[in-house]
Amino acid sequence: GENVEQHPSTLSVQEGDSAVIKCTYSDSASNYFPWYKQELGKGPQLIIDIRSNVGEKKDQRIAVTLNKTAKHFSLHITETQPEDSAVYFCAAMANRDDKIIFGKGTRLHILP
Amino acid sequence: EPEVTQTPSHQVTQMGQEVILRCVPISNHLYFYWYRQILGQKVEFLVSFYNNEISEKSEIFDDQFSVERPDGSNFTLKIRSTKLEDSAMYFCASSARLAAHEQFFGPGTRLTVL
Repeated sequence: GENVEQHPSTLSVQEGDSAVIKCTYSDSASNYFPWYKQELGKGPQLIIDIRSNVGEKKDQRIAVTLNKTAKHFSLHITETQPEDSAVYFCAAMANRDDKIIFGKGTRLHILP
Repeated sequence: EPEVTQTPSHQVTQMGQEVILRCVPISNHLYFYWYRQILGQKVEFLVSFYNNEISEKSEIFDDQFSVERPDGSNFTLKIRSTKLEDSAMYFCASSARLAAHEQFFGPGTRLTVL
């Protein structure tokens, strides 16, 4: 089955700097890659997603890139702000399934 | 904005007891899911449910677990005889479409088995 690896497990960046979180997946049938943000005491909230027919997607300060050949995808947050501090999960999903396979998560700290 | 709700937010139970975790999915959604997150670990898929039956379940979802949609709004997860290792955060999710479509997660129920 699918396996999603995520790095780093913890990331600290200065406010205003950029943060990058990287993930790999194993199943070439995966074609949907959502990113979730989880704040303390809350459930995962979708912040951006990308499908396998595109290589990049941007939404204001957040962008995702996908390299299908290498089975890599990444989350980029620019101009980080204190409210970006949270745990971020990458995930993968295939058309044949209806379950999301999550990475282990990255705890992002934005330093003042 | 519509959202998935879950009750209770925290459930404490004794080992061997039955628990029922409740979820109200988004009203026009047709696909329902349970996931769990043991402290410090990944969010793991448990089960998906559509058209009043289980679509897919993981190895974790053994005979001790069951799901039900008892009425038009609630979706429940029952654990028949809880074990210490069932202690986790349980998330309900719902989706409007099957496969490769956004799943909306609830805030979770923290289950503590003593």
